[in-house]
Amino acid sequence: AQTVTQSQPEMSVQEAETVTLSCTYDTSESDYYLFWYKQPPSRQMILVIRQEAYKQQNATENRFSVNFQKAAKSFSLKISDSQLGDAAMYFCALSRISNDMRFGAGTRLTVKP
Amino acid sequence: EADIYQTPRYLVIGTGKKITLECSQTMGHDKMYWYQQDPGMELHLIHYSYGVNSTEKGDLSSESTVSRIRTEHFPLTLESARPSHTSQYLCASSGEAPVGEQYFGPGTRLTVT
Repeated sequence: AQTVTQSQPEMSVQEAETVTLSCTYDTSESDYYLFWYKQPPSRQMILVIRQEAYKQQNATENRFSVNFQKAAKSFSLKISDSQLGDAAMYFCALSRISNDMRFGAGTRLTVKP
Repeated sequence: EADIYQTPRYLVIGTGKKITLECSQTMGHDKMYWYQQDPGMELHLIHYSYGVNSTEKGDLSSESTVSRIRTEHFPLTLESARPSHTSQYLCASSGEAPVGEQYFGPGTRLTVT
């Protein structure tokens, strides 16, 4: 079975600080993609960052970076210099060649001013 | 920004009414999806399509039906709305494997009274 687990239903961070959201997954395939999506309150779901499993280098997009540990099947998202606009639900997702995307249950991030 | 549209954005309707939620995309994607999501909660896949005249049920059982007569259009229909159908419905489309990144519409928030 292909699963994506986000063990933190809620997280909070002080503005300008750093926070890490956890995600673990399970797949038997060797070629796959991992994603973090952001869903702000009452707004559209958007892609934050993408990681190809065959790449060892961790993906980075401005203040967002991932820690991809393939052997451990772990894919955490680090948000640096947190801003009020980062407050949202964050979904980890796994996409495989043979099947469609699987989403985790989400982590609600609160940013405190 | 992804070119995927959903109408209406908000709908309040009485029990027993027939409703159709519209979803269109201009990216030429073959794969399209419908998710049901209670506010701030996880996504549940209810329908998907791999192309014209192809539709499948997702992981979560739903009383809704879908059709895919044109590549760009993937409407969802409820023949007789009930209060248990109150939820947010998200439409998404994706490009080809192996990436499979999904692009989401803004969602339709449905309330059945």
